[in-house]
Amino acid sequence: DAGVTQSPTHLIKTRGQHVTLRCSPISGHKSVSWYQQVLGQGPQFIFQYYEKEERGRGNFPDRFSARQFPNYSSELNVNALLLGDSALYLCASSLGRAVFPQHFGDGTRLSIL
Amino acid sequence: ELKVEQNPLFLSMQEGKNYTIYCNYSTTSDRLYWYRQDPGKSLESLFVLLSNGAVKQEGRLMASLDTKARLSTLHITAAVHDLSATYFCAFKETSGSRLTFGEGTQLTVNP
Repeated sequence: DAGVTQSPTHLIKTRGQHVTLRCSPISGHKSVSWYQQVLGQGPQFIFQYYEKEERGRGNFPDRFSARQFPNYSSELNVNALLLGDSALYLCASSLGRAVFPQHFGDGTRLSIL
Repeated sequence: ELKVEQNPLFLSMQEGKNYTIYCNYSTTSDRLYWYRQDPGKSLESLFVLLSNGAVKQEGRLMASLDTKARLSTLHITAAVHDLSATYFCAFKETSGSRLTFGEGTQLTVNP
């Protein structure tokens, strides 16, 4: 079975631009969570979506938004990019809202110039 | 707010030696995870610990959980070079669904 898939794998943007990152969960998983991992740090929780509704939000500005589609795939959008947004963005899926463990994708490495 | 302190942050050890990585957390948690991350890669789940006193072992790694002390440990026995990676502990709050990660321990095993 396919694991969590994320696209693109790498992305280079400039300050002020916006970006959309995509995630497809493991088949049958209804929960998707997004994490930001800045180089040298642990992942930080951004959002959780379950059954197409936001179920949790981390301490990130409103420039960050996300949504989940009927097929349970998800998009993370970041507007007005800042240099500090450069990070590895990880998507994780799980069967239910509070069902663990979460299975992580390979991530999207976002570089802001 | 759940806070996680992981130490040491950097660990350089020789092959064949033993060492322990510590994770302290600040509030109640109903489960603890250990992940491994190789450079440029995603997170690989190693252990899930669900209750006080839980101990799990896989090869040269053994993880334990003491919920009363709010402490989890990852013990490395007779380290080998292939264990070189960054190890993260992560906690899930009892009432929530998010994972809170420690800063990670960058382990280097030298021949």
